[in-house]
Amino acid sequence: NAGVMQNPRHLVRRRGQEARLRCSPMKGHSHVYWYRQLPEEGLKFMVYLQKENIIDESGMPKERFSAEFPKEGPSILRIQQVVRGDSAAYFCASSPAQGQSYNEQFFGPGTRLTVL
Amino acid sequence: KQEVTQIPAALSVPEGENLVLNCSFTDSAIYNLQWFRQDPGKGLTSLLLIQSSQREQTSGRLNASLDKSSGRSTLYIAASQPGDSATYLCAVPDYKLSFGAGTTVTVRA
Repeated sequence: NAGVMQNPRHLVRRRGQEARLRCSPMKGHSHVYWYRQLPEEGLKFMVYLQKENIIDESGMPKERFSAEFPKEGPSILRIQQVVRGDSAAYFCASSPAQGQSYNEQFFGPGTRLTVL
Repeated sequence: KQEVTQIPAALSVPEGENLVLNCSFTDSAIYNLQWFRQDPGKGLTSLLLIQSSQREQTSGRLNASLDKSSGRSTLYIAASQPGDSATYLCAVPDYKLSFGAGTTVTVRA
């Protein structure tokens, strides 16, 4: 059973370009979470999605950031018009469908975004 | 809002010494607590998950305790090795995880 997959592992963008980060959850997992780790800072929650639904996006910046988890395919975190402050490691985690809440989350290897 | 604090921020010990890492949280109404390991430039590896009904969980040289009433968890690593050098994170869920800032451990050979 493959773990959480993220690609690309490293992404370099120039200011003003778009960044698209992909996350494929573990098989059988229908809940996806995105977290961001800024340099020298801790991990911060960004958004929680289930298939075709955004459940909680309270950690997402109000502008330029969006996320989706379509019925088919990976979850996508999209950052438009990137700025240098967006440079960070972006981690995706997944958990199984929650008959009981707060299942263990399994993390992907992360995408390291560098904005030049 | 849940606040998670980890003390100390950094720890350096000689090989063979036992490690004690502390995690405290402000809202004791938690469902579980996870400990992770993060190597520099790498992702997170889940070490232990303690359910709220448990008082401790063990995996090899690792032992984690949980005291919900006092809002504390402790991760013990026995007989440390240089390969244990990493940052250790604790996290508690409100479906989304709230992370502590981590304890960076260096084990000197």
